[in-house]
Amino acid sequence: EVQLVESGGGLVQPGGSLRLSCAASGLTVSSNHMSWVRQAPGKGLEWVSLIYSGGNTYYADSVRGRFTISRDNSKNTLYLQMSTLRAEDTAVYYCARDIDDGSGTIFTYWGQGTLVTVSS
Amino acid sequence: DIQMTQSPSTLSASVGDRVTITCRASQSISSWLAWYQQKPGKAPKLLIYKASSLESGVPSRFSGSGSGTEFTLTISSLQPDDFATYYCQQYKSYRMFGQGTKVEIK
Repeated sequence: EVQLVESGGGLVQPGGSLRLSCAASGLTVSSNHMSWVRQAPGKGLEWVSLIYSGGNTYYADSVRGRFTISRDNSKNTLYLQMSTLRAEDTAVYYCARDIDDGSGTIFTYWGQGTLVTVSS
Repeated sequence: DIQMTQSPSTLSASVGDRVTITCRASQSISSWLAWYQQKPGKAPKLLIYKASSLESGVPSRFSGSGSGTEFTLTISSLQPDDFATYYCQQYKSYRMFGQGTKVEIK
């Protein structure tokens, strides 16, 4: 069974930094394409960042230059380093397994989410 | 960037109704479209991928159609468990979600 467990959320001041983690079991992070998706309170879903199994990374315009996606293969964990945080970054952040190249399915597996609140 | 426009934003329906949600892409995405169901406080659940393929375990009352720029999600007979918010998402270029459609009890 695949499990994705996010952690690292919390309250941070504007301009601050935070690192989110997504620990995986039943799935090898380094062999899969992985994404972060966020959802502001009462709002819709917003894709944030993608790391392909080969290592290429991509970002939404709203976070490019401020957020960095990475992974630790030895810990089977995905990360999202967030800096220069703004109030509009307040959201629940989900990690998810991105596209499966064989089947074409996408976002089949999701974590439970971790809440990031940017406020003074 | 490819923009996704979903309609309607809210839909009021009764159990047993046939429900259709539309999603338009700002440029062709071939069949690289997925549909998700989300309930309050929960992560989204994949329903349809590649525009018309039903995810394993999803009831057959859900179906997807379309290609290029116009797509639809149809629920053939709405069930009590189907009242939720639905999102389309393109994965032709990066990823982009539609704004969502909330299906409410009429």
